[in-house]
Formats: sequence, C-alpha cells, structure tokens
Amino acid sequence: QQKVQQSPESLSVPEGGMASFNCTSSDRNFQYFWWYRQHSGEGPKALMSIFSDGDKKEGRFTAHLNKASLHVSLHIRDSQPSDSALYFCAASELNQGGSAKLIFGEGTKLTVSS
Amino acid sequence: EAAVTQSPRNKVTVTGGNVTLSCRQTNSHNYMYWYRQDTGHGLRLIHYSYGAGNLQIGDVPDGYKATRTTQEDFFLLLELASPSQTSLYFCASSWGDGAETLYFGSGTRLTVL
Repeated sequence: QQKVQQSPESLSVPEGGMASFNCTSSDRNFQYFWWYRQHSGEGPKALMSIFSDGDKKEGRFTAHLNKASLHVSLHIRDSQPSDSALYFCAASELNQGGSAKLIFGEGTKLTVSS
Repeated sequence: EAAVTQSPRNKVTVTGGNVTLSCRQTNSHNYMYWYRQDTGHGLRLIHYSYGAGNLQIGDVPDGYKATRTTQEDFFLLLELASPSQTSLYFCASSWGDGAETLYFGSGTRLTVL
C-alpha cells in the first residue's frame, strides 16, 4: 500500500474555479510535506512545502496540514488553463541513518477548461 | 534554477539488454535520486545518493544498480532489462534531505521489448 495516498485521481474545473486536492499519509514519521506539479512532457517541479500545522498561502495556492490526522490538502483559487497538470503530494520520512527520502503519492490530474 | 540533465531522452532495448541512464547536475547538490514514474503508482524511489561513492537503497531497487561517480554524475544501470522496467525515469537532486526542494530532470522514457 502506498504510504502517501491522494484523491481524487482526476479533477476537472472551469477557468476561474477552485481546485482542491487531498493527501493522506500512513506513516507518523513523516515530518515534511510537499506539493509538486508536473506539466505534460516535463519533470515535476516543487510548488510549495508545508511543515507546520495550519494553512500556508502563496498567491493563488493554499496548503493545509493537519499532522494529527496526517492529512494535507492543496487548494488553487482562480484556476487557469496553465494550471492543468499532474499534482503530486510528497512526504519525507527520516530513516535510521539520519537521511531522509521523499515519498510521492500517485498524483491527481487537473484539467482546467476555458 | 537548478539544472539537472538526463540522457538519453528516449531508449528502446530488448529483454535481457544492458542499459545505462545518465544524470548530471551542475549545482553541487549533495543528494541525487532516481525515480520511476508509472500510471497509478506515481513516482517511486529506486536509489539515491548523498555524495560521490555513496548509494542508498530506495523503495523499488530490484533489478537496478546505481553508481555516483562524482558530485555531479549519477547513473542508473539495468543489466538484464525486463519488460516490467518499461517506464519513465526521472533523476533529481537536492541540497539536503527531506526539507529541501528536489529539482528534476526532463526524464528518460525507456521501453523494453
């Protein structure tokens, strides 16, 4: 079972609408959470990180983290066609050697229609 | 922005073939990673390294070897390629671990016939 699970698998919103993504982890060792975005034909790019409980806002993007429930979400307001992409949630776990590795979810495909 | 270059961009080989995927980063990052991307599985970590000569095992290492020859160069080796290794492979680098941004290359699409 994936340690980081995302929902929904795909999402369609009209231009100007709100897109919302959910992510749940199953490992309480996860300390840092990320959202990455991947446009077609490109590698993923970091969108934003969230390390503390609560909300973090960067422009049109807002992330929310609840460590107690191991749940993180991402909301995009005023969605644009250029936001159409694959969105990944990722979390890092600290292993015994002291180094961490980033674990990704399955991704959510967003389509914004103009 | 950090630059990570992968080669080749596309590769086709036959079952049992020998394949090497290359990755170079030019930002003196400490950490380098190899992921594979498959529909329904997202990105899965194969191997990673925190410096020249170092190798750490990822989550899906079976059938893959990797070698970090320099701070800049990280190679993924498939010595007996199988059709199950057909995938999109990404290399990434970062300064540190966990709390640091990963910078990804453009990917190598590998097809094993």
